[in-house]
Amino acid sequence: GAVVSQHPSRVICKSGTSVKIECRSLDFQATTMFWYRQFPKQSLMLMATSNEGSKATYEQGVEKDKFLINHASLTLSTLTVTSAHPEDSSFYICSAMGIYGYTFGSGTRLTVV
Amino acid sequence: QQQVKQSPQSLIVQKGGISIINCAYENTAFDYFPWYQQFPGKGPALLIAIRPDVSEKKEGRFTISFNKSAKQFSLHIMDSQPGDSATYFCAASKSSRTSGTYKYIFGTGTRLKVLA
Repeated sequence: GAVVSQHPSRVICKSGTSVKIECRSLDFQATTMFWYRQFPKQSLMLMATSNEGSKATYEQGVEKDKFLINHASLTLSTLTVTSAHPEDSSFYICSAMGIYGYTFGSGTRLTVV
Repeated sequence: QQQVKQSPQSLIVQKGGISIINCAYENTAFDYFPWYQQFPGKGPALLIAIRPDVSEKKEGRFTISFNKSAKQFSLHIMDSQPGDSATYFCAASKSSRTSGTYKYIFGTGTRLKVLA
C-alpha cells in the first residue's frame, strides 16, 4: 500500500523562528500533494495544493509568504512556517495523491512558544 | 455549496452495537465520497469510499449508504468495537477539469466512543 512519511511528528519553536515540515511519499510518486491544518477537535482545512515543479495553489485566506510550500520532486513536498507565532500552533497534515488515491501523513504538531 | 455537513458531532455506542454517521452535501458536481478514521495525534486513514453510481458499498463491518437524490451519505459500523473509538470524517470531492486534481471538502467530524 501507499505510505506517506511526515516529519517531524512534533516540534516546538520560539516565536519568530521558521519551521520546516517534510512530507515524503515512500513507495509511489505523487505529482500532487495537499497541506492541511487542523485545530483541536475540528476538521481538516485545506491550506494549499502543491504540484511538482510548479508553484503551490493556496486557498483563500492562507498567507503565501508565511506558509512556503516547495514540491521539488515527485516524492517530496515541504511546508515552511516562516516567522512563526503562537497563533500558528496547530496540527499540520500532508496528503499525497497516487494511484491508490489519497494517503495522509501522520501529521506534525507545531507548538510556537 | 462547498460545505459538507456531518452529524452527529459525537456518538457513544455500546460494544456490539451499530454506529451511524451521516453527511449531506449541496454540490451535485461532487463525484467521490470517502470516509476517514482518525486517531488522536495521527493523520486520517481511508476507511471506505463510494461513487454516485452505486447506492451501497460494504467492506467488512463498514458500509456506506448513498442517496443521490437526497444528496446524503452515511457510514454504518456494524458490531462496533472499543478499537473503533476515533474521529470519523466524511469528505466529498470533484474532479478538477483543469489540473485533474481532486480537492477534498471534509465534514466537521464525529467523535465516536464505543463502550466496552
